Amino acid sequence: GIQVEQSPPDLILQEGANSTLRCNFSDSVNNLQWFHQNPWGQLINLFYIPSGTKQNGRLSATTVATERYSLLYISSSQTTDSGVYFCAVTPSGGYQKVTFGIGTKLQVIP
Amino acid sequence: NAGVTQTPKFQVLKTGQSMTLQCAQDMNHNSMYWYRQDPGMGLRLIYYSASEGTTDKGEVPNGYNVSRLNKREFSLRLESAAPSQTSVYFCASSEAGLAKNIQYFGAGTRLSVL
Repeated sequence: GIQVEQSPPDLILQEGANSTLRCNFSDSVNNLQWFHQNPWGQLINLFYIPSGTKQNGRLSATTVATERYSLLYISSSQTTDSGVYFCAVTPSGGYQKVTFGIGTKLQVIP
Repeated sequence: NAGVTQTPKFQVLKTGQSMTLQCAQDMNHNSMYWYRQDPGMGLRLIYYSASEGTTDKGEVPNGYNVSRLNKREFSLRLESAAPSQTSVYFCASSEAGLAKNIQYFGAGTRLSVL
């Protein structure tokens, strides 16, 4: 099946710093999503981004489908950004089977 | 609008006991999913239901059964719980379609099997 690799696995930031999280995938995809899991375990969909660039406030994401990677940018980080960020992909031809990466654990310290 | 609701939030079982995890969504979504999340392994798909009346295996279906009771509800059953099934279980739903599959998650069920 499709492989999803996220980097870095762990990240500690000072409040106000910027960061880039990366997601590499091994095959063509119909769908790519970024999720944030907060410290209480709730999973929130951040972006649906099979290709192109999207922005939502301090967060933005870019997916280059032809090169099989996606980037999540966090600017001016806040302590509420702490948690785990997951990339999840749906391979072309298997549109129901979503595969998650193991995530990037982010800690933003004051 | 409640979104995706899972019950119970916490459960402790003894090895060999059975239980059913309930999931309901009020977004009129066609597709529903069950995942398990273990430390260091991200989320893994157990079963999914593309539409009412259909179910299919995901990555880790062994030891589980599912029922798509109607469009709103999708339950996950453990017939004979094992310690290896200690995990956090998430239900999700989406509109689905050929490529668009934005998933919305419930709050999770934390299950311990002793």
